[in-house]
Amino acid sequence: DAGVIQSPRHEVTEMGQEVTLRCKPISGHDYLFWYRQTMMRGLELLIYFNNNVPIDDSGMPEDRFSAKMPNASFSTLKIQPSEPRDSAVYFCASSSSYEQYFGPGTRLTVT
Amino acid sequence: GENVEQHPSTLSVQEGDSAVIKCTYSDSASNYFPWYKQELGKRPQLIIDIRSNVGEKKDQRIAVTLNKTAKHFSLHITETQPEDSAVYFCATPGAGSYQLTFGKGTKLSVIP
Repeated sequence: DAGVIQSPRHEVTEMGQEVTLRCKPISGHDYLFWYRQTMMRGLELLIYFNNNVPIDDSGMPEDRFSAKMPNASFSTLKIQPSEPRDSAVYFCASSSSYEQYFGPGTRLTVT
Repeated sequence: GENVEQHPSTLSVQEGDSAVIKCTYSDSASNYFPWYKQELGKRPQLIIDIRSNVGEKKDQRIAVTLNKTAKHFSLHITETQPEDSAVYFCATPGAGSYQLTFGKGTKLSVIP
């Protein structure tokens, strides 16, 4: 298995632009988690899905952030419009129980 | 929701010495306690975990101990090596959920 796949690995964009991050979970995993990691705030859960349905989005910072999971093998996290304070590493993780497996992350820089 | 406190935030040890990182949690119903290791620029990776019906689990040089009464669990690394240098995170789920709440992390530096 290739593990959790994320794209792009790096994204540099200007303030105000739309950013879309992508994730492919491990096949057979029915939970998918989106995290944001910064030095100041550590590893924060943004949203998670079970069987493609959003279960808890209380970590989504504001309406500029949205996430979808149209099928079991694909999820997106969108930021529109992006701001410099959104600069962080965004991780996707998947699981079928407690053990979560992380993707390589997307390093987002908003200038 | 679950609250997880992790200490210390940084830890420096001489190569060959032991390192101990401790986490406390708030939800007494929590029943799963993993530790993740994150090397610089890499993803967090699960290195060891323990369930609430076990008090201690070992895997070569690493071990996790659990005290459910006191609501804390610890990571022990013996005979530390430079490749153990990383940030270590504890985590635990709330009751009835696979969602994990992570500690703030401990940056471990092993000095050769």
